[in-house]
Amino acid sequence: GIQVEQSPPDLILQEGANSTLRCNFSDSVNNLQWFHQNPWGQLINLFYIPSGTKQNGRLSATTVATERYSLLYISSSQTTDSGVYFCAVEQREGSSNTGKLIFGQGTTLQVKP
Amino acid sequence: DTGVSQDPRHKITKRGQNVTFRCDPISEHNRLYWYRQTLGQGPEFLTYFQNEAQLEKSRLLSDRFSAERPKGSFSTLEIQRTEQGDSAMYLCASSLAAIGTSGSRTDTQYFGPGTRLTVL
Repeated sequence: GIQVEQSPPDLILQEGANSTLRCNFSDSVNNLQWFHQNPWGQLINLFYIPSGTKQNGRLSATTVATERYSLLYISSSQTTDSGVYFCAVEQREGSSNTGKLIFGQGTTLQVKP
Repeated sequence: DTGVSQDPRHKITKRGQNVTFRCDPISEHNRLYWYRQTLGQGPEFLTYFQNEAQLEKSRLLSDRFSAERPKGSFSTLEIQRTEQGDSAMYLCASSLAAIGTSGSRTDTQYFGPGTRLTVL
């Protein structure tokens, strides 16, 4: 099955700093999502981005599908950005989209005041 | 938009007991998914429904696990004869899948808050 690798596994930032999180995947995908998991375990949707670039406030994401990677940019980080960031891709079976998301191991971000 | 809800949020049980969790998806969504997340790992797919039909089950889902979505709305996940290894966060998600002649296209999955199961 498809493999999803995220880097770095852990990241510590000072408030106000910028960061880039990376997600590599081993096969072509039709669906890629970025999530933020808060300390209570809730997965919060950040981006649905199978290709191209999107921006939402201080966050932006770029997926280069042909090269099988996606990047999540966090600018001017705040303490509330702390948590685990997951990349997830949808596994295809033949010509169908299964809907099953395969998650990476996550990047744990800590933003210090 | 009420989002995906799950009940209970926490469950503590003794080994050998049966437990049942409920998930209410976003009302217009036709797909519903169950995932399991253990400490320090990303969520792992367990099973999913399109309307009331259960379309796939992961090999992670042993015979002790069963899921239903009887009317294509809410879903239940039951674990029989719980084991300590079943301790995890159980997450439910829903999405709206468009079915076309060239296959299906799945939209964004939205997750509920999860049910944290502890088996003593």
